[in-house]
Amino acid sequence: GAVVSQHPSWVICKSGTSVKIECRSLDFQATTMFWYRQFPKQSLMLMATSNEGSKATYEQGVEKDKFLINHASLTLSTLTVTSAHPEDSSFYICSASQHPFGETQYFGPGTRLLVL
Amino acid sequence: AQKVTQAQTEISVVEKEDVTLDCVYETRDTTYYLFWYKQPPSGELVFLIRRNSFDEQNEISGRYSWNFQKSTSSFNFTITASQVVDSAVYFCALSEVYNNAGNMLTFGGGTRLMVKP
Repeated sequence: GAVVSQHPSWVICKSGTSVKIECRSLDFQATTMFWYRQFPKQSLMLMATSNEGSKATYEQGVEKDKFLINHASLTLSTLTVTSAHPEDSSFYICSASQHPFGETQYFGPGTRLLVL
Repeated sequence: AQKVTQAQTEISVVEKEDVTLDCVYETRDTTYYLFWYKQPPSGELVFLIRRNSFDEQNEISGRYSWNFQKSTSSFNFTITASQVVDSAVYFCALSEVYNNAGNMLTFGGGTRLMVKP
């Protein structure tokens, strides 16, 4: 149980294009989903928290117009990197939890984005 | 504010050695949860354990064991008889309850464990 999928696992795109990453909880309903970014040999950096049906809460320094998050259902959240640039190249990981307040977050396999 | 410190950035051991990964946390909340995750080279974070602040019993799961000590704000992780497949980055994380509206995790910097054959 508690499986989270992420698609695509790899994406290479040209500078200026937009990229959409999907995060799905496969066997549970996720009240909250999280999006993280991880640079090589670094820890995870929380980008935003999203609850189904409401606007995402972005961490300080994360551009909401650059990283669009949609949490349309209890099993699906999407992250769209708009007008991607080489500095957006990173490893993006989503996680999902079934309940608030200390509930375990289960992580997707991550998406490696390379912007040329 | 909450903080998690994993002072060991990299540890290298030879297979079959025991190894302990340290985790020290700071929180003003009286109710909180502590986690350990494993991130193998593939990148996916694998959940290992979740412990609430009221349960200080040590836990053992196969070759893995955890030592939670509130007095020293530590939640250390020991791998007994390490194996090459244990090579990964291990993250300790903290989730406060009352000071945390969104169930956020605060991660430590991670410890890269390399187990050599």
